[in-house]
Amino acid sequence: QSALSQPASVSGSPGQSITISCTGTSSDVGGYNYVSWYQQHPGKAPKLMIYDVDNRPSGVSNRFSGSKSGNTASLTISGLQAEDEADYYCSSYTSNSAEVFGSGTEVTVL
Amino acid sequence: EVQLVQSGGEVKKPGESLKISCTSSGYSFGFYWIGWVRQMPGKGLEWMGIIYPGDSDTRYSPSFQGQVTISVDKSISTAYLQWSSLKASDTAMYYCARATISVAGWNFDSWGQGTLVTVSS
Repeated sequence: QSALSQPASVSGSPGQSITISCTGTSSDVGGYNYVSWYQQHPGKAPKLMIYDVDNRPSGVSNRFSGSKSGNTASLTISGLQAEDEADYYCSSYTSNSAEVFGSGTEVTVL
Repeated sequence: EVQLVQSGGEVKKPGESLKISCTSSGYSFGFYWIGWVRQMPGKGLEWMGIIYPGDSDTRYSPSFQGQVTISVDKSISTAYLQWSSLKASDTAMYYCARATISVAGWNFDSWGQGTLVTVSS
């Protein structure tokens, strides 16, 4: 099961918006509206930020939003803050009745 | 408060067996899926598999099918991940996580602290 494709790194200045892409196939991202996004700070467990493409769990800032078009899902962080500096992973349900994570994106706040 | 507490780090030799645990509290254990995620040193997250404690329905990623076994003991709200013969390449941090489910697809909304497994001769 190959990992979904994400850019290795994305950076932005405080206050800017950035978008992280997550590209799969019709057997995962493109076939289902079940894409999640996780944030992981160094040495910490991941945290769910978005589920079912564009839903935010309670307590997650509305600066985080998700979308999907075809085989590519996206996470947008608006009003970038220093605390957003972390690794981000997408995840999608697959035709194997399992899930697969993306390769991960390191977000740097300049 | 939902809590998942994992067993402590392990140092093992290649060929040895291992079973690590994840004990849940603060919610009805039998009604939420529990999954396992691998993170090799300096690498990304890998979805290993997931189990529903209510009926022990278990799904594995094709990458991990036959390599590990996921199980639960509902009586003590604990999930397990086990290996019968470890390899050096099993060296990693292993996370358990509680999952909510959509019509299909799981979302890990609470995580354990991780168990570091080191396999070295």
